[in-house]
Amino acid sequence: GQQVMQIPQYQHVQEGEDFTTYCNSSTTLSNIQWYKQRPGGHPVFLIQLVKSGEVKKQKRLTFQFGEAKKNSSLHITATQTTDVGTYFCAAPASGTYKYIFGTGTRLKVLA
Amino acid sequence: NAGVTQTPKFQVLKTGQSMTLQCAQDMNHEYMSWYRQDPGMGLRLIHYSVGAGITDQGEVPNGYNVSRSTTEDFPLRLLSAAPSQTSVYFCASRPSGVGNEQFFGPGTRLTVL
Repeated sequence: GQQVMQIPQYQHVQEGEDFTTYCNSSTTLSNIQWYKQRPGGHPVFLIQLVKSGEVKKQKRLTFQFGEAKKNSSLHITATQTTDVGTYFCAAPASGTYKYIFGTGTRLKVLA
Repeated sequence: NAGVTQTPKFQVLKTGQSMTLQCAQDMNHEYMSWYRQDPGMGLRLIHYSVGAGITDQGEVPNGYNVSRSTTEDFPLRLLSAAPSQTSVYFCASRPSGVGNEQFFGPGTRLTVL
């Protein structure tokens, strides 16, 4: 079945450093979503990308969708302790309404 | 709006027991899903529904049953609990159509002894 691979699995950074997580699919995606889950919490929607090569920004967060629509990235500039959590990408399985999640990247920010 | 609610928050079962995890949403969303979350495995889809009376299997459906008799409710039934079903379970809902965000409930932490 369709798989969405996400790397790295863990990332520890010093506060103020940048952070990037990558999401890769073997098939072309119609869209991709990103979610954040704080420790002990539930996933919360961040953004959706639809167009080839699309770039969207939310303050210090930059989201990109690859030209071939098979990969995506989330980049955080100058991390803060409030960025701690697990970041997931999610994409619809081909021809269905169901969303498949990546394995997530767990971010720790050291003050 | 309460959004997506789940009960109970915590549950401990013995192997072989059955139980139902409750999920309700008050946003009139057509699509609802159940996920389980295990360390290092991300969120894996168990079952989903695109409307009342319509359900389908996800990635890991074995050992779980669902039904959708109303738009609001989407209960998940464990027929005979096994230790491998120890996990955190999340229910989610979203409006119909392509690419709408999912709203997640707070989760149920289940331990099977």
